Amino acid sequence: SSELTQDPAVSVALGQTVRITCQGDSLRSYYASWYQQKPGQAPVLVIYGKNNRPSGIPDRFSGSSSGNTASLTITGAQAEDEADYYCNSRDSSGNHRYVFGTGTKVTVL
Amino acid sequence: QVQLVQSGAEVKKPGASVKVSCKASGYTFTGYYMHWVRQAPGQGLEWMGWINPNSGGTNYAQKFQGRVTMTRDTSISTAYMELSRLRSDDTAVYYCARDRVVPAAIRGNYYYYMDVWGKGTTVTVSS
Repeated sequence: SSELTQDPAVSVALGQTVRITCQGDSLRSYYASWYQQKPGQAPVLVIYGKNNRPSGIPDRFSGSSSGNTASLTITGAQAEDEADYYCNSRDSSGNHRYVFGTGTKVTVL
Repeated sequence: QVQLVQSGAEVKKPGASVKVSCKASGYTFTGYYMHWVRQAPGQGLEWMGWINPNSGGTNYAQKFQGRVTMTRDTSISTAYMELSRLRSDDTAVYYCARDRVVPAAIRGNYYYYMDVWGKGTTVTVSS
């Protein structure tokens, strides 16, 4: 089965840039989607596909991918961006299943 | 607006079953698959499976095969997730999320993601 690995935690100074990575074999076949989750709340989609933001997501969020690694970048991090972030992709084994990354806690200093 | 409204919190004893509902509104229920995702306390998101509300077809994560059943009632635009033989480590928040599949710029490629989520249903398993 597929696995998606993320760094457990990263920190960023207010207004600076932070990149969160997600590694896994399935990312060679499928783009990742990214979800932001704040304490006590449901996840919210922030990036999908090559680099697409749903309506209402600030343009400081961007996505990229290369090989088996997908990245979510927050350019000019704000206090409200402090949250857990999860990547997700379809499983590449052909069984039409999905897998989430292990999650990254982003702290804005 | 598109909305997924989930049923209320549940407390169950080990060995029992729980059935969580997810009522969709603001879109054509049968036009989009529905995922179920859970999150144990202090842990990450875990994909459980999906249901095709149009056909009733399902696809479950291997971990839950034999214990989970996803169904739907198209007359009331509601999806259900039933988990049986509950254990203490099934204590979690259970979410439903709408599936999206859209063509990518590169022909033959698609983007797969979950664009709308319910607020979650807390299931506590305790003796």
